[in-house]
Amino acid sequence: NAGVMQNPRHLVRRRGQEARLRCSPMKGHSHVYWYRQLPEEGLKFMVYLQKENIIDESGMPKERFSAEFPKEGPSILRIQQVVRGDSAAYFCASSRTSGRYETQYFGPGTRLLVL
Amino acid sequence: DAKTTQPNSMESNEEEPVHLPCNHSTISGTDYIHWYRQLPSQGPEYVIHGLTSNVNNRMASLAIAEDRKSSTLILHRATLRDAAVYYCILNNAGNMLTFGGGTRLMVKP
Repeated sequence: NAGVMQNPRHLVRRRGQEARLRCSPMKGHSHVYWYRQLPEEGLKFMVYLQKENIIDESGMPKERFSAEFPKEGPSILRIQQVVRGDSAAYFCASSRTSGRYETQYFGPGTRLLVL
Repeated sequence: DAKTTQPNSMESNEEEPVHLPCNHSTISGTDYIHWYRQLPSQGPEYVIHGLTSNVNNRMASLAIAEDRKSSTLILHRATLRDAAVYYCILNNAGNMLTFGGGTRLMVKP
């Protein structure tokens, strides 16, 4: 059973460009979470999605950031007009259900560098 | 969310047991205690979780105090590959994990 897959693993963008980060959850998992880890900081929750629905986006910046998890295909985290402060590691996790006993399985992350 | 407190760092010798403490004095009755770890340049990895009783799995053991205000993650025999940041997390809602600073474990050969 393949784990959570993220691509690209590394992404370089210039200020003002768009970044698209993809996450394929584990087989059988319909719950996806995105976290961001700024350099030398801890992981911060951004958004929680189920298939075709955003359940909780309380951690996501109000502007320039959006996320989707379509019926078919991977979950996408989109950052428009990137700025240097967006440089970070972005991790996706998935779970089978959303219970408080449930384990989240993390991908290897996408490291975004904004020049 | 209830908060956890962990030491910033700990050191261990290879092949010796390691006890990583976590205080969570404001834990609620429905909070599950989860432990994750993050190896350098990798995503977090699940280690173990429990509610009230002590738990064992192939990676570690989790000892939970009777009043649930603290817990200890036990690595029975530390290896160099166990060097990581260990996070103790309380999960009540099920929809997000709130990561604190964790404990950076250094393992000496």
